[in-house]
Amino acid sequence: DAGVIQSPRHEVTEMGQEVTLRCKPISGHDYLFWYRQTMMRGLELLIYFNNNVPIDDSGMPEDRFSAKMPNASFSTLKIQPSEPRDSAVYFCASSFSSGGPMGTDTQYFGPGTRLTVL
Amino acid sequence: SQKIEQNSEALNIQEGKTATLTCNYTNYSPAYLQWYRQDPGRGPVFLLLIRENEKEKRKERLKVTFDTTLKQSLFHITASQPADSATYLCALSRRAAGNKLTFGGGTRVLVKP
Repeated sequence: DAGVIQSPRHEVTEMGQEVTLRCKPISGHDYLFWYRQTMMRGLELLIYFNNNVPIDDSGMPEDRFSAKMPNASFSTLKIQPSEPRDSAVYFCASSFSSGGPMGTDTQYFGPGTRLTVL
Repeated sequence: SQKIEQNSEALNIQEGKTATLTCNYTNYSPAYLQWYRQDPGRGPVFLLLIRENEKEKRKERLKVTFDTTLKQSLFHITASQPADSATYLCALSRRAAGNKLTFGGGTRVLVKP
């Protein structure tokens, strides 16, 4: 398997523009997570899905952020309008329910998208 | 508020020695604790999981301990090698939080030959 695929790998945009980040999870995985990583705040969970349904979006910063998962093999994270403080590396991760307790499944991370908002 | 703390200062260590990293937490009752490795420009990679009722877990040259009384996990890399140089992140999950992981800030390790 190719692992979690994210695109683009780098994105530079100007303040106010719409940004769409894309993620293809590992085939067969039923959980998908979106994280943001900055030096100041570390790695933060934004939202996660189970079987394409959003389960916890409490980490989404504000209404400018939205995430969708239209099918099991694709998810998007959209920022509209973007602001300089959104500059960060955004990671997508996926996991497979092994049947064990929740919180024990390994998460597999993509390479990340480095977003710079000027 | 909940807090997960890892030493933000880089750990410089000589090859062959044991590196020990700490993960401390407050106002948190994790059921499970995971350790991940992150190389520059890459996403984190899972290393080990330890449960609240386990004191110690080992995998090759890695050892993790979990002390729920001290609210601390220690991560050891024995016989360290330059290839072990990376940032190491601890991540906690609670029973009531589903599959949500909360990550610490990570500790950078540099193993010098």
